[in-house]
Amino acid sequence: NAGVTQTPKFQVLKTGQSMTLQCAQDMNHEYMSWYRQDPGMGLRLIHYSVGAGITDQGEVPNGYNVSRSTTEDFPLRLLSAAPSQTSVYFCASSTGGAVAGTDTQYFGPGTRLTVL
Amino acid sequence: AQSVTQLDSQVPVFEEAPVELRCNYSSSVSVYLFWYVQYPNQGLQLLLKYLSGSTLVKGINGFEAEFNKSQTSFHLRKPSVHISDTAEYFCAVVQGGYNKLIFGAGTRLAVHP
Repeated sequence: NAGVTQTPKFQVLKTGQSMTLQCAQDMNHEYMSWYRQDPGMGLRLIHYSVGAGITDQGEVPNGYNVSRSTTEDFPLRLLSAAPSQTSVYFCASSTGGAVAGTDTQYFGPGTRLTVL
Repeated sequence: AQSVTQLDSQVPVFEEAPVELRCNYSSSVSVYLFWYVQYPNQGLQLLLKYLSGSTLVKGINGFEAEFNKSQTSFHLRKPSVHISDTAEYFCAVVQGGYNKLIFGAGTRLAVHP
């Protein structure tokens, strides 16, 4: 049971490049989410999904796309990278709970992204 | 919109002293409250959560928090800290009717010998 895995661990991009951050979980969790962590700002929700085929925007969705074709995978796409997207990105999953989002979230180890 | 304010960005404390990390939330409707901890270079893990019932919630590693609806607060406490408690602590909220877990800016707890 690997939990939540994220790849890559580190990435450097040039402005304007695109890339996909991968996130996978093997716990059969319905609820998955992406956060970015910046100094002094905590974690900010980018996008989340309450199940395969269902996604919604979080607090800071601009510049990012997501899709959820399977329960296990929830990739985050940067369409045209900008220096403002330099951050540490965390993926998380949970069973959801009676009120979605209230069950314990399990976090991946993070991806450190630098955009030059 | 729901929001969370952590009143202290850094809290220095000596080992074996008590500590309180403060958290206030904005919503006036039903809320669900959480404390997560992040140790250096790691992801986050859940310390404790309040969904309903008793307002005093006990978590892992000797931490507890009290939900105070009248003051819209959810402060985290530990009676005696250890060096190993040095980490960043995040308060978070899910507002009833929404599906989003929203985090505060974090409080960095530094325990000194």
